[in-house]
Amino acid sequence: NAGVTQTPKFQVLKTGQSMTLQCAQDMNHNSMYWYRQDPGMGLRLIYYSASEGTTDKGEVPNGYNVSRLNKREFSLRLESAAPSQTSVYFCASRRTPNTGELFFGEGSRLTVL
Amino acid sequence: AQSVTQPDIHITVSEGASLELRCNYSYGATPYLFWYVQSPGQGLQLLLKYFSGDTLVQGIKGFEAEFKRSQSSFNLRKPSVHWSDAAEYFCAVQANAGNMLTFGGGTRLMVKP
Repeated sequence: NAGVTQTPKFQVLKTGQSMTLQCAQDMNHNSMYWYRQDPGMGLRLIYYSASEGTTDKGEVPNGYNVSRLNKREFSLRLESAAPSQTSVYFCASRRTPNTGELFFGEGSRLTVL
Repeated sequence: AQSVTQPDIHITVSEGASLELRCNYSYGATPYLFWYVQSPGQGLQLLLKYFSGDTLVQGIKGFEAEFKRSQSSFNLRKPSVHWSDAAEYFCAVQANAGNMLTFGGGTRLMVKP
């Protein structure tokens, strides 16, 4: 039972470089989310996809783009990384957009130098 | 917009002692409320949730939480803490017709032997 799988788990970038964080879920969930976690600030929503074919901005979308590739996969792209994007990123999914438990991946730790 | 406050950043309790973690929310109506736990290096796991009905909800690992509308609170409790409960705990709120969970800043629990 893989659940929610994120890759890579660790990444170091230089300022200005680009990268994509991948997320896949095998629970046939409709909704998927990207959060970032910073000390003392909890988790903040970057983008979400309520269902396949839709994406919406969350609380902190600037500097990020997302793609809902299919029902299973939801990627997060940093086009030009900045030190302020150093964080731990979590992908999550749930069966429906507005009820039920969020299932989280194990996180991707990104450092931007 | 909804918001969540967890007033205690760190809490230390002795093993076997009781525990209460505080959570206050700001939202115009009765929201959906959640408590998640995060072990080091892991994603978040749902402990319990409140949607409606009985204001005292039971969760996994012996945790419970009580919704108090008059105080806009959803405090997490456990009668006897075990060393394995050491983790970070997050309270979250969602508008009952919305798609987005808003998380508090977290409370890190340490357990003394």
